[in-house]
This record gives sequence, structure tokens and C-alpha cells, in this order.
Amino acid sequence: GQNIDQPTEMTATEGAIVQINCTYQTSGFNGLFWYQQHAGEAPTFLSYNVLDGLEEKGRFSSFLSRSKGYSYLLLKELQMKDSASYLCAVTDNDYKLSFGAGTTVTVRA
Amino acid sequence: IAGITQAPTSQILAAGRRMTLRCTQDMRHNAMYWYRQDLGLGLRLIHYSNTAGTTGKGEVPDGYSVSRANTDDFPLTLASAVPSQTSVYFCASSGGQGGPDTQYFGPGTRLTVL
Repeated sequence: GQNIDQPTEMTATEGAIVQINCTYQTSGFNGLFWYQQHAGEAPTFLSYNVLDGLEEKGRFSSFLSRSKGYSYLLLKELQMKDSASYLCAVTDNDYKLSFGAGTTVTVRA
Repeated sequence: IAGITQAPTSQILAAGRRMTLRCTQDMRHNAMYWYRQDLGLGLRLIHYSNTAGTTGKGEVPDGYSVSRANTDDFPLTLASAVPSQTSVYFCASSGGQGGPDTQYFGPGTRLTVL
């Protein structure tokens, strides 16, 4: 099975940087996904990491350390529209996803 | 291109009633999934299908059944609904080419069982 932990809530100011950490313990690992979910909407794909290191996509970056069972999602130049829940998800040996409970980020003016 | 559609958008159901949540995708994805999302628990996998004609159990399959008669449709049935099945249900699909494909989610069905 999978055990995935991420903080419940984070608050930051518009224009700032926020880092959302995710730790996992898995019986198998084939990569880690980050999804964004606005209130009342479906999750949407943000990033995928399978190798150690940093993946950058515009204002969003995701980091993975497989040996430490650790990932983070970095949101830079925060905008009001970034207020959402961010879901960390790990794929197992059968490529099924297990999700963390999600981190709700609130961006304040 | 619609992607993934789910119906109904929301439903209030009496306990003991039978209910089928519909999910259709037009991306010709092989794999489809049903999740439920509850506050504080995140998304949990109910059932999945790697390809038409096959299904499998996820983390919380009890009280639910699925079928996959063709590539596009993956209905989820609650044979006799109970209040603990009150949740938001998301259907998802992925290419399912044997690797960790990105899953794409439908808009969800909000189900309340009284």
C-alpha cells in the first residue's frame, strides 16, 4: 500500500513563493504526479516526476528524491488564481494512482 | 472534443435505492477509473479498468460494481445505496499503454444518500 503525507493548508501572499512538501512510503513506485484542483472542479494535471531532480514548467516546478521518498511542488510569483488544492499522487507497480489528502493553498492580496 | 463527461452532475438518493453513475470518454483511452473524494481523505480508487472487457478492484470497492462493455463507457453502480456513500465521484481515464500515464478527470458527480 501507499502512505502519502502533505500539509493540510498553506497561506501565502500574492507574488510570493510557496513550497508544498509531499512524503511517501510505497510498496512500489513508478513516478509521482502533482494535480491542481479548484473548489468544485476536477483535478487537472500539473507535473510528473520519475527521476530524481527538478522539473520546471513556467511558474511551477516539481522536485523528486526517490531515496528519501520526498517531493515538493514550488509555486512562484503567486497569483490569486493559484488558490486551490494541490494533490500529490504516487503510481504503484500496476500504474494505479494513490493520492494524498491534498494541500489547500490560499493566496492573499 | 468533450474529453470525459459524467452524469448526473448531482443527485440526492434515498438509502436502499439503486443508482448508476455514468462516465463516457471520447479520447479512445484504454484505462478508466472511478474515485470518490471525501473531505480530509483525498481521492480513493473504487474500481478501474485497464481495457475494455476487464475490470479490477481498487482501495474501496465494497458496495460498488462496474462494467466495461466498450472503450468509451465505464458506469459505476451502487446496488443499494447507504449514507456512507455520500461523496463526490470522479471518473478518470488514461492512455493505459503500460506506463504511468497521466489521468484526466471528468467534472464529477455529487451524490447525497439520505
